Amino acid sequence: DIVMTQSPDSLAVSLGERATINCKSSQSVLHSSNNKNYLAWYQQKPGQPPKLLIYWASTRESGVPDRFSGSGSGTDFTLTISSLQAEDVAVYYCQQYYNTPLTFGGGTRVQIK
Amino acid sequence: QVHLAQSGAEVKKPGASVKLSCKASEYTFTNYAIHWVRQAPGQRLEWMGWINAGNGDTKYSQKFQARVTITKDTSASTAYMELGSLRSEDTAVYYCARDQVVGATVNDVFDYWGQGTLVTVSS
Repeated sequence: DIVMTQSPDSLAVSLGERATINCKSSQSVLHSSNNKNYLAWYQQKPGQPPKLLIYWASTRESGVPDRFSGSGSGTDFTLTISSLQAEDVAVYYCQQYYNTPLTFGGGTRVQIK
Repeated sequence: QVHLAQSGAEVKKPGASVKLSCKASEYTFTNYAIHWVRQAPGQRLEWMGWINAGNGDTKYSQKFQARVTITKDTSASTAYMELGSLRSEDTAVYYCARDQVVGATVNDVFDYWGQGTLVTVSS
């Protein structure tokens, strides 16, 4: 199974400041056939199901604000919130879909400083 | 707006089975796969398997292969997940989620989620 490791476990950022979340996979999730990284990011607010933010490591889902961006390739990925808003307080998860079983990171809790 | 409505909370004894439902609306049910993902208290999200709502093909995580069955009722636009031989470690919120890609291909990215069903396993 591909193990997904996120860091940090939690972070506190001031409103309007940048938040950066890291995700590392135990093996590459870059598929050589199409040069795509099989990596998605989700946001989960308390009492709600996760919400898809990013797929193919950097493609923003429709309706997701452009302050959210994804980057990285191979085994190392980053989710960046460029200017943190109050509504961004949540837990963020990365997920690999390179192979099954599909696996998720342990989550990163983002709070307001 | 796509909606996945899940059945209500369940309390089960160890060794029992539970069958959860996930009713889809506002899209063509047979055009997308439905996944099941669970979230135990304090644990990461865990993928259990999917069903292609068109042709009925299924794929399960090896961890759950022996005791999970995912089925569908096309006429009711509903997917089901049955988990047997329950143990306390199965206490979790169980989510159904729609696959992102239309058609026979399963992309394994989840674009819409149900609200979740809490299953509590306790003697």
